[in-house]
Amino acid sequence: AQTVTQSQPEMSVQEAETVTLSCTYDTSENNYYLFWYKQPPSRQMILVIRQEAYKQQNATENRFSVNFQKAAKSFSLKISDSQLGDTAMYFCAFASRDNLFFGTGTRLTVIP
Amino acid sequence: GAVVSQHPSWVICKSGTSVKIECRSLDFQATTMFWYRQFPKQSLMLMATSNEGSKATYEQGVEKDKFLINHASLTLSTLTVTSAHPEDSSFYICSARGPWGQPQHFGDGTRLSIL
Repeated sequence: AQTVTQSQPEMSVQEAETVTLSCTYDTSENNYYLFWYKQPPSRQMILVIRQEAYKQQNATENRFSVNFQKAAKSFSLKISDSQLGDTAMYFCAFASRDNLFFGTGTRLTVIP
Repeated sequence: GAVVSQHPSWVICKSGTSVKIECRSLDFQATTMFWYRQFPKQSLMLMATSNEGSKATYEQGVEKDKFLINHASLTLSTLTVTSAHPEDSSFYICSARGPWGQPQHFGDGTRLSIL
C-alpha cells in the first residue's frame, strides 16, 4: 500500500523569503506521479506542480520547484519569493494507475 | 474554466435522508474518478475509485452500502449517501482523470450537513 507522509503540520515564512515543504512516500511501484496541491480556505484543490517518476529532472513552475529524490522516496516543494497569496494548506499526493493518495498536509502561513 | 462540475455545492438535510452528489467531467472523458471525504483541518481521505462501467473499488473502512458510487458514463459519476446521519456530515470532493498519465481535475466539493 502507498503512504504519503508530510512531517510538518505547520510552517511559516516571511514574505519574499524561501520555504521548503517536505514529503516522503512509500511504494513498490515504478510508474507513478507525484503532485503538490494547494488548498486555500475556499477548499478548491489547485495543482501547484507535477512530477513524473520516470523523469530525473526536477519539475519547476515559476516560483515553485521540487527536489525529487526517487531512491529516497522524497519529494519536497520549494517556494521562492513567497507571497501572501501562497498562504494555504499544501498537500503532497501520490498517484498510481488506480489510486491518488494525499499526505496529511502542511499549513503554510506567509507573514507580511 | 472548470473542467469538473460537482453538484450540489452545499446540502442540508434531515437524518435518514439519502443524498446524491454528482460529478461531471465537462470537456474530457473521465475514465477514472475518485471520491474523497475531508474533515475540517484534515487531509483528503480516499473513499473509492471508480472506472467507467465497472464497480467501484472501496478503501478499507468505507461502507459500500452506505456510500453508493455509480460511474455509468465517461462523463458522470455519482455518490449517494444512503440514510445519512449526522456523523456523515463532511466535505466530499470528486476528482476525475482521463487515461493514465492525463491530468487530474477536481470538483469544487460538496458540503454535506445532516441535522
